[in-house]
Amino acid sequence: EAGVAQSPRYKIIEKRQSVAFWCNPISGHATLYWYQQILGQGPKLLIQFQNNGVVDDSQLPKDRFSAERLKGVDSTLKIQPAKLEDSAVYLCASSRQDYNSPLHFGNGTRLTVT
Amino acid sequence: AQKVTQAQTEISVVEKEDVTLDCVYETRDTTYYLFWYKQPPSGELVFLIRRNSFDEQNEISGRYSWNFQKSTSSFNFTITASQVVDSAVYFCALRIEANFGNEKLTFGTGTRLTIIP
Repeated sequence: EAGVAQSPRYKIIEKRQSVAFWCNPISGHATLYWYQQILGQGPKLLIQFQNNGVVDDSQLPKDRFSAERLKGVDSTLKIQPAKLEDSAVYLCASSRQDYNSPLHFGNGTRLTVT
Repeated sequence: AQKVTQAQTEISVVEKEDVTLDCVYETRDTTYYLFWYKQPPSGELVFLIRRNSFDEQNEISGRYSWNFQKSTSSFNFTITASQVVDSAVYFCALRIEANFGNEKLTFGTGTRLTIIP
């Protein structure tokens, strides 16, 4: 089966600019996650979707971050305006809708904010 | 709240040596799942193993083995006869079986493993 697809692979922007990341999950996976991984740290959940509904966005900085999952498949994560501390790898993952299913991760988008 | 601690930030061993990566977790839930992921330089997190809280049997998969001990809240990972391809960052993670929508995966900070040829 095809894996989780993410684009772009790398992005460099200046602070206060906007940026968007795209994710296509594994076919049939109802749950989609966006994680932020700052250098030297473990991934931190930003938002979790079940089909096209949000089930957890408690750690999403809603003043600048937004995400959507239209039609319950692809998802987009946006940052507007970006700050220096947003420099990180943004990982998208998907899983089946049960607790013991592992998450399958994409290669991530490495964002550098200058 | 859930917490995963990987006290070893970096480990270096010579090729063919055995190495153990430690993982200690905290949760008040009685039903939970533990995972190990490998993150090679390419950046993708690769799923290695899943273990539920009711199954304390150790598992072996080739050169990989896992030791789950509820008494010490540990889920350690051992690589036998290490190879250069094992060089990566390894993450331990915890997922609780809570209410729907609250089953997020909590990661440790990772252990960077370097295998020296």
